[in-house]
Amino acid sequence: GESVGLHLPTLSVQEGDNSIINCAYSNSASDYFIWYKQESGKGPQFIIDIRSNMDKRQGQRVTVLLNKTVKHLSLQIAATQPGDSAVYFCAENQMDSSYKLIFGSGTRLLVRP
Amino acid sequence: EPEVTQTPSHQVTQMGQEVILRCVPISNHLYFYWYRQILGQKVEFLVSFYNNEISEKSEIFDDQFSVERPDGSNFTLKIRSTKLEDSAMYFCASTQGMEPQHFGDGTRLSIL
Repeated sequence: GESVGLHLPTLSVQEGDNSIINCAYSNSASDYFIWYKQESGKGPQFIIDIRSNMDKRQGQRVTVLLNKTVKHLSLQIAATQPGDSAVYFCAENQMDSSYKLIFGSGTRLLVRP
Repeated sequence: EPEVTQTPSHQVTQMGQEVILRCVPISNHLYFYWYRQILGQKVEFLVSFYNNEISEKSEIFDDQFSVERPDGSNFTLKIRSTKLEDSAMYFCASTQGMEPQHFGDGTRLSIL
């Protein structure tokens, strides 16, 4: 079936430390994955994406790792800042007719000053 | 940077009434979506719309729901007879295809 889930509902980190948010997916047919950040009262904001033909992609302070063997996705945030505090969702997408997203249940990242 | 805009930001409605939630997707996008997020839960897919028709809908999207793209810019979600359990944040999103979907900031729907 289709499901995307997260291992940790809340992650608390010290400002300046690195953060790692994990996600498991069950549908091996998924070929595109996206991380979104959601701040209070806002819609999901795109952070970084990765296609299934890659295992790593880097952005500015963020890295996404994809392990298709164990169907695992992670988001690494370097030098975490207070502005990174939010809920993070992974989402999977299959190249079907609608490109709909299936979201995981979210991880709340709290950054301690 | 172009963005998806949604109105109103908050809608309060009596149970049984009809509501229309409005969205203006990004202008050159081809695929349009509605998602729902009940407080504290994950974002759930409702419906996708492409080429002026529904391309996929979830089990949540029953006969009380409808979508429309009445002109070249607006994309609406109508709930014909609202129920208490329809209370949620409703997000509109758009994309060109196999690219990141861009989301609006949502409409908070409160059913009394």
